[in-house]
Amino acid sequence: EAGVAQSPRYKIIEKRQSVAFWCNPISGHATLYWYQQILGQGPKLLIQFQNNGVVDDSQLPKDRFSAERLKGVDSTLKIQPAKLEDSAVYLCASSHEGTGRNEKLFFGSGTQLSVL
Amino acid sequence: GENVEQHPSTLSVQEGDSAVIKCTYSDSASNYFPWYKQELGKGPQLIIDIRSNVGEKKDQRIAVTLNKTAKHFSLHITETQPEDSAVYFCAATPPGWGAQKLVFGQGTRLTINP
Repeated sequence: EAGVAQSPRYKIIEKRQSVAFWCNPISGHATLYWYQQILGQGPKLLIQFQNNGVVDDSQLPKDRFSAERLKGVDSTLKIQPAKLEDSAVYLCASSHEGTGRNEKLFFGSGTQLSVL
Repeated sequence: GENVEQHPSTLSVQEGDSAVIKCTYSDSASNYFPWYKQELGKGPQLIIDIRSNVGEKKDQRIAVTLNKTAKHFSLHITETQPEDSAVYFCAATPPGWGAQKLVFGQGTRLTINP
């Protein structure tokens, strides 16, 4: 079974520039998550999709961050304009549906973003 | 909302010794407690989990214990090996929310010294 795919692995940009990250979840996983992991901290949920609909985006800084999952499969996360404090690893994860299984997250390797 | 505290932030043990990482949670309604291992340059990977109707769970060299009354749970790794070196995260979530309400601890960097 292929895992969660993310690209790019690394991205270096200057503040006020824009950047986009791509994620393809495990086949058949309806739920997709984007997490932000700042150095030395645990992952923090930014947005959760169920198929192509948003379930929770309460922690997404909507003035600069946006995300979409148009066809209910792969997803993109965009930051525009980037700030220095956006430097972090952006992790994509997916999970099964079904009682007792949908808490288990399968993470991609992440995109390490450095904003200079 | 839930708050998860994890200790220690760094842990160094000799190969073959045991390692213990502890977490406390604040929401007594939480009933699912996973542990994730994150190796350098990779995403977190689920290694073991426990639900609140169970006090202990083992899987080969790793075990997790849960004390619901005290609201804390621990990860135990026995006979540590160099490949156990990684950052470990605990997490907690209440029932019915899937991973939407999953809150992670701050992480423990475990180093196994040969």
